[in-house]
Amino acid sequence: DAGVTQSPTHLIKTRGQQVTLRCSPKSGHDTVSWYQQALGQGPQFIFQYYEEEERQRGNFPDRFSGHQFPNYSSELNVNALLLGDSALYLCASSQSGTRAQYFGPGTRLTVT
Amino acid sequence: GIQVEQSPPDLILQEGANSTLRCNFSDSVNNLQWFHQNPWGQLINLFYIPSGTKQNGRLSATTVATERYSLLYISSSQTTDSGVYFCAVGGTSYDKVIFGPGTSLSVIP
Repeated sequence: DAGVTQSPTHLIKTRGQQVTLRCSPKSGHDTVSWYQQALGQGPQFIFQYYEEEERQRGNFPDRFSGHQFPNYSSELNVNALLLGDSALYLCASSQSGTRAQYFGPGTRLTVT
Repeated sequence: GIQVEQSPPDLILQEGANSTLRCNFSDSVNNLQWFHQNPWGQLINLFYIPSGTKQNGRLSATTVATERYSLLYISSSQTTDSGVYFCAVGGTSYDKVIFGPGTSLSVIP
């Protein structure tokens, strides 16, 4: 049973560029949440997708957007990258009706 | 929104020692999980425990929802237990999950 997978593992971008991160949920899960984790801090909730729609959103600007596909996989897009967007981006999946979240290995984004 | 506190912020243990990590939260929750983040960044589920007590090997957890706290017990610690332990809570199944600041644990041989 495959767990949550994310790609790419690492990414280096330049200020002002755009980036897309990808996540495949654990088998049987239909809900995907994205988190940003800055160095030395706990993960911060960005948004959650269910049935291909954004269901909840944290305190992140509109530069952060997402998408969920019919197969439940998801993408996180960040436009106009800032140096402060450098962080570990974590994807978590869960099954609707349950609350336990399972995390992928993360994508480490560096903005120079 | 819900506030989450964890204590202690840092902990250094000799291998074989026991420890207790605490998570306090400011409001009623329907969702509480404990995670271990290893040095490579992977968040590993330890317990889903909005109330009651659970045990898994050397680890156990207790949540007293009415008093708004949860405890994670680590017995006979090993060097592989090193990393950051996070408590994460949510109000309803649709609520965003709020993470605490974590407890950084170092187990030395």
